[in-house]
Amino acid sequence: AQSVTQLDSQVPVFEEAPVELRCNYSSSVSVYLFWYVQYPNQGLQLLLKYLSGSTLVKGINGFEAEFNKSQTSFHLRKPSVHISDTAEYFCAVSRNLNFNKFYFGSGTKLNVKP
Amino acid sequence: DVKVTQSSRYLVKRTGEKVFLECVQDMDHENMFWYRQDPGLGLRLIYFSYDVKMKEKGDIPEGYSVSREKKERFSLILESASTNQTSMYLCASKREGLRTDTQYFGPGTRLTVL
Repeated sequence: AQSVTQLDSQVPVFEEAPVELRCNYSSSVSVYLFWYVQYPNQGLQLLLKYLSGSTLVKGINGFEAEFNKSQTSFHLRKPSVHISDTAEYFCAVSRNLNFNKFYFGSGTKLNVKP
Repeated sequence: DVKVTQSSRYLVKRTGEKVFLECVQDMDHENMFWYRQDPGLGLRLIYFSYDVKMKEKGDIPEGYSVSREKKERFSLILESASTNQTSMYLCASKREGLRTDTQYFGPGTRLTVL
């Protein structure tokens, strides 16, 4: 079965510092990768996705992620975080282009401190 | 903008009660989903519906049933609520087809079973 690992359950960081949230997935013939963000008391919102093509994907709010097939990783980065980025971030994988079956990681709580 | 709404943000029920969680989407999406979200476990799929009156079990269907009588509405039913069903429940919807936009999530219902 497909699995998605987010090793860091919590990441504290100071405002304006860079951040990387790690995501690794179990190898598969083809995968399609997503990052979602969940702000407090809200549902999930899509940040970015990788389907094919360039391995560097840019998303909303200044986030980007890089697909690394050899390391089976899809780490999320932002060069300078804001207080408003405080949220929980989920990595997800789909094995088909229907996007009907997602495998979610356990989530990483990003806490941006002033 | 796609809008997915859930009938309650917070719900408190007693063990053994029958519980209905309602989800409505306004974008004529064919596919709808129910997930539960627990700390450290991410999101797990309970049920999925790809059309009116059609459903498929997800990863954790035990103790739950669903109903989809109209395209825009997808209900999750706990026939006899138990304390281990205390959780956050998220509904999502998406358009059918390949490479369509991803799943859109509602704000969630936090259910507490006493």
